[in-house]
Amino acid sequence: ETGVTQSPTHLIKTRGQQVTLRCSSQSGHNTVSWYQQALGQGPQFIFQYYREEENGRGNFPPRFSGLQFPNYSSELNVNALELDDSALYLCASSLQTGANTEAFFGQGTRLTVV
Amino acid sequence: GENVEQHPSTLSVQEGDSAVIKCTYSDSASNYFPWYKQELGKRPQLIIDIRSNVGEKKDQRIAVTLNKTAKHFSLHITETQPEDSAVYFCAADAGNMLTFGGGTRLMVKP
Repeated sequence: ETGVTQSPTHLIKTRGQQVTLRCSSQSGHNTVSWYQQALGQGPQFIFQYYREEENGRGNFPPRFSGLQFPNYSSELNVNALELDDSALYLCASSLQTGANTEAFFGQGTRLTVV
Repeated sequence: GENVEQHPSTLSVQEGDSAVIKCTYSDSASNYFPWYKQELGKRPQLIIDIRSNVGEKKDQRIAVTLNKTAKHFSLHITETQPEDSAVYFCAADAGNMLTFGGGTRLMVKP
């Protein structure tokens, strides 16, 4: 098992609501990336945080936003939820050393929007 | 941006046979290629990775090959076992952002 933990594990929200998902990175890792995995598909990159700054963003609208804290844990916030936001949200932590390094995933938060 | 294609989408093999999954990528700047195994309801787990300065890497029954000229890389699993049954994802990384393929559902029949 990795040291990456996510909360909550499951969540049901109503369309239009807002949600906050949390991720604790593996000890020693300073980089957290968030991915959305729809059923039967590969994970899609949302954004990455490195030392509390956004360090890259995928093709997701601004209602997807995030934070990284001094202890390198991170939050993903989604406003104005839509039905299509229903998915497994995965965070992955890594140590950014200038070379590409392994990313370790958390167990994910399954979000259902009704 | 990067685009990763993965084939086949499903693969059924008999226990003990070999399995091969192939991926192509579009961005020549990609230089890190991990493979993840995801069992039902669980997190993706890194099983092997390869960097662009290496053409092949092996770890017991699992091997990965990379052809940078052709922009494709492959996962080879030998002597498959029922516990190898899962969804496998390839990915390419050009700048600390992983782009995943669509996944291959591998079924190993006892």
